[in-house]
Amino acid sequence: KQEVTQIPAALSVPEGENLVLNCSFTDSAIYNLQWFRQDPGKGLTSLLLIQSSQREQTSGRLNASLDKSSGRSTLYIAASQPGDSATYLCAVNGGGFKTIFGAGTRLFVKA
Amino acid sequence: DTAVSQTPKYLVTQMGNDKSIKCEQNLGHDTMYWYKQDSKKFLKIMFSYNNKELIINETVPNRFSPKSPDKAHLNLHINSLELGDSAVYFCASSPKGRNSGNTIYFGEGSWLTVV
Repeated sequence: KQEVTQIPAALSVPEGENLVLNCSFTDSAIYNLQWFRQDPGKGLTSLLLIQSSQREQTSGRLNASLDKSSGRSTLYIAASQPGDSATYLCAVNGGGFKTIFGAGTRLFVKA
Repeated sequence: DTAVSQTPKYLVTQMGNDKSIKCEQNLGHDTMYWYKQDSKKFLKIMFSYNNKELIINETVPNRFSPKSPDKAHLNLHINSLELGDSAVYFCASSPKGRNSGNTIYFGEGSWLTVV
């Protein structure tokens, strides 16, 4: 049974700092991994999708990496801004119609 | 235009009542989902429909009944509401669910409070 863990659960950093969010999964037989952002009172917005054959994906200041063999993914945020404050969720698809989510990392970027 | 829209956004109701949440997607996707996010912010899949066919039904009490009248709509009806049903319910869709590698698009959520 796939389990997804995100560390840390919460993170507070000063503006401008580079940071890394971690996601680990127990079953390496995944089809893809997706990072989402959730703002308070809002739905989820997809940030990056990494297929199992890929090692990383980049979008602006965001870079997500995937190491299937070790069951890990990281989301790197460069030059953090207060507007980056949100909860970041990692989600793993093992094929089929089911996507398993981690509990998320709550990020607060201080101005 | 909102890609995945849910109504109502907020719902406060008494225990024992029956309520429905509606979802519509205008993305032309084949697959739609209902997820539940509890107070600890954990997102868990409840149901998945592909081309109006129920694909996933995750250990959800049978008081919860999804209905997909067409590919663009997936509604959730809840009978005999209980306090523990209080949560945020998210509707989502993706172009093709199985092994597609596609992004999932979420609605804004429906905040259900049972008193």
